[in-house]
Order: sequence, then structure tokens, then C-alpha cells
Amino acid sequence: DIVMTQTPLSLPVTPGEPASISCRSSESLLDSYDGNTYVDWYLQKPGQSPQLLIYSLSYRASGVPDRFSGSGSGTDFTLKISRVEAEDVGVYYCMQRVAFPRTFGQGTRVEIK
Amino acid sequence: QVQLQESGPGLVKPSQTLSLTCSVSGGSISSGRYFWTWIRQNPGKGLEWLGYIYNSGSTYYNPSLNSRLWISVDTSKNEFSMRLNSVTAADTAVYYCARGGVDDSSGFFDFWGQGTLVTVSS
Repeated sequence: DIVMTQTPLSLPVTPGEPASISCRSSESLLDSYDGNTYVDWYLQKPGQSPQLLIYSLSYRASGVPDRFSGSGSGTDFTLKISRVEAEDVGVYYCMQRVAFPRTFGQGTRVEIK
Repeated sequence: QVQLQESGPGLVKPSQTLSLTCSVSGGSISSGRYFWTWIRQNPGKGLEWLGYIYNSGSTYYNPSLNSRLWISVDTSKNEFSMRLNSVTAADTAVYYCARGGVDDSSGFFDFWGQGTLVTVSS
């Protein structure tokens, strides 16, 4: 299975400041067939189900604010929040879907300082 | 808007079978190219992908479950189900159903159920 490793596991943030979460995969998530990189990001807000934020490395899901962005290549990926808002608290997960079984990172808990 | 809703017993005894159903509304489970998926989250821990079923009935299971999982679909009821046998305390988790696209470009999980907690205990 592809192992997804996130850092940090906990991230205290100040509203209005930027934040960044890293995700590393044990194998490349580049699909050599179509050239796309299949890493997605999800946010699980307190008491809720995970919700899709970013798909295929850098595409924002419908309704996701443009302060969220995804980047990276190969095995190293980053989710950035340009200016954190209070509603962004929760646990962020990266997930690979270049292979089955799908696997998730351990999660990064974002909390307001 | 597609909605998914899990249902089933919240308590299962060790060695017995955990059975859950996911009811889909706002769209037909038979239409489109989707993998209807089960994912779980152990208390206080991360997410584990369990397996999927396509509307044709084809399935794929996480090998980590050691052949204990079976997923089925009932298109007439617009629902899909999972059965996990020989459960232990390690199977205690919140179980989610979710929809994922078959095509690589849409393979993300765009709709999730609210989740249902299943506790394995005697």
C-alpha cells in the first residue's frame, strides 16, 4: 500500500495568517498514463464528515474558497491556506488515488491559537 | 444534490457480523460512473478505505480486511450495503459511505454520509 505521511500533526494558527500542511507519499502519485497527479485533500470539521477541498493535486472543489490551494509533484505535496479563518479549524487529510487501496494521511489538526 | 445515509446497529458482539446499509437519494445509484464506497474512522484516529462496489456489482476490497468484507448493491432500493464478519474491538469505528467517480478525473469522494458509530463489545 502507498503510505501517506503528513506533517505537522498539529498546527496552531493565527487568524489572518497563512498556514501550510505537507504530505509525502511512499510512491509517486503521478499517473504516467495521463500525466495527472492524484492526490486529494479533505477537511473534517468538528463533528462532521470529511469534505473535499482539493482534488487531483491543485483543483479546488466546488464552493471551496480561493484561499485554499494545493501544489507539489511526485511524492511531495502541500496544502496552503493563504489567510486562515476561524471556520478552517478541523483535521486535514491528504489521500492518494493513483492506486488501490486508497490511503489517507494521518491527518493534521488545525486549531486557532 | 446527492445525499447518503448510513444505517445499522450501533453495537455488535465480538466474532459476529457487522452489517450496514447506505441509502442514496437525489440521484440513481444505477446511473453514472461511480464507485460506491465504504470508509471507516477508528475513534480518535484517521481514515481507512474499506472497499467499493460499482453499479454492475463489481467490487474491490482492502486486502487488510483479510477477506472479511462483502459489499452488495440493491439498485431497486437505491442503496448499497456492507457486511464485515468476525469483528473484534479493532473494528469499532465510525463507518462512512461515500461516492467516488470511476474516471481518474472524478475519482475523488464528493459526497459522504454523516457516518454511523459501530461499537464492537460484548
